[in-house]
Amino acid sequence: KQEVTQIPAALSVPEGENLVLNCSFTDSAIYNLQWFRQDPGKGLTSLLLIQSSQREQTSGRLNASLDKSSGRSTLYIAASQPGDSATYLCAASQGGSEKLVFGKGTKLTVNP
Amino acid sequence: DVKVTQSSRYLVKRTGEKVFLECVQDMDHENMFWYRQDPGLGLRLIYFSYDVKMKEKGDIPEGYSVSREKKERFSLILESASTNQTSMYLCASISSSSGISDTQYFGPGTRLTVL
Repeated sequence: KQEVTQIPAALSVPEGENLVLNCSFTDSAIYNLQWFRQDPGKGLTSLLLIQSSQREQTSGRLNASLDKSSGRSTLYIAASQPGDSATYLCAASQGGSEKLVFGKGTKLTVNP
Repeated sequence: DVKVTQSSRYLVKRTGEKVFLECVQDMDHENMFWYRQDPGLGLRLIYFSYDVKMKEKGDIPEGYSVSREKKERFSLILESASTNQTSMYLCASISSSSGISDTQYFGPGTRLTVL
């Protein structure tokens, strides 16, 4: 059964810092790996999706990488801003299924 | 833009009440999902549906049922609400033809409190 783990559970950084959020998964038979953002009390917003055949995806200041062989993905945020403060969730899409298995998230606080 | 809406943002119910949570999507998606989200436990799949009148249990279906009478609408039913069902409930949808390149689209969530 797929398990997704995110470390750290919480992270606090000063504005302007570059940072990396980590995600690991136990079963490499994934369709894709997705990163979401969740603001307090709100739903999830998709940030990046990396297909199983891809190594990375970029959107603005965000870059996500995927290493299936090691069961790891990272989300890199460049030049962090207070508006980046949110919980970031990664999720693995199981092969042959539209179901997602989620990690518990990393709560990011960017201090002005 | 895909839109997924949920009938209520906040809901307060009494123990033993029957509770309906409604989710509607406007993109003709075949697949719809209900999750609950709790601190320290993350998102857990309750039920999902891959077509009208079709459903499958997720990881934590106990105490819940679902209904999918129309393609755009997926309802979560708490037959007899209990305090341990106090949670944030999130609905999502995705097309069956999306392959590996599309994401699930989430609604804004319903914060349910059972007293």
